Amino acid sequence: KQEVTQIPAALSVPEGENLVLNCSFTDSAIYNLQWFRQDPGKGLTSLLLIQSSQREQTSGRLNASLDKSSGRSTLYIAASQPGDSATYLCAVLLYGNNRLAFGKGNQVVVIP
Amino acid sequence: GAGVSQSPSNKVTEKGKDVELRCDPISGHTALYWYRQSLGQGLEFLIYFQGNSAPDKSGLPSDRFSAERTGGSVSTLTIQRTQQEDSAVYLCASSPPESYYNEQFFGPGTRLTVL
Repeated sequence: KQEVTQIPAALSVPEGENLVLNCSFTDSAIYNLQWFRQDPGKGLTSLLLIQSSQREQTSGRLNASLDKSSGRSTLYIAASQPGDSATYLCAVLLYGNNRLAFGKGNQVVVIP
Repeated sequence: GAGVSQSPSNKVTEKGKDVELRCDPISGHTALYWYRQSLGQGLEFLIYFQGNSAPDKSGLPSDRFSAERTGGSVSTLTIQRTQQEDSAVYLCASSPPESYYNEQFFGPGTRLTVL
């Protein structure tokens, strides 16, 4: 069974600092990995999707890396802003599978 | 264009009652998924549809849970004889056909509270 772990569970950073969120998974036979954002009481917003053949994806201030062999992904958010406060979820899709396996999330607070 | 929509956004019910949750996927998306997010738990998979058929329903927690999809579009998740442990946010997602990326797009969820 694929296990997805996100560390730390919660963190607070002052505005302007770079955010580093970690995700690890136990089964390296993944098809892709997605990072999502979830605001309180809301659904999931897809931020970045990395295919298994890719090493990283970038969108604006966001950069996600993937090291499939070590079972790790990192989400970097540059120059954090209070609007980045949210829970960030990592999810992997296994080959031959249609279900996403999620971590429990990194709850982020950016302090103005 | 319109995203995945779900209704109702909130549902409060009494233990033992049946509830129906609805999902409207993005137009043209052939794959549809239901997930559940319980307090303190991660998101867990419930069921996957490809068109109107459900090749993977292994995540349904008990036979009180069922889902159907009609016309390759709208899906309904039904929970019979609800229990307090069914309280959660139920999320629906959809994917386009023959998607190289297999990216899943999520709706806003239905928050179910069983009293």
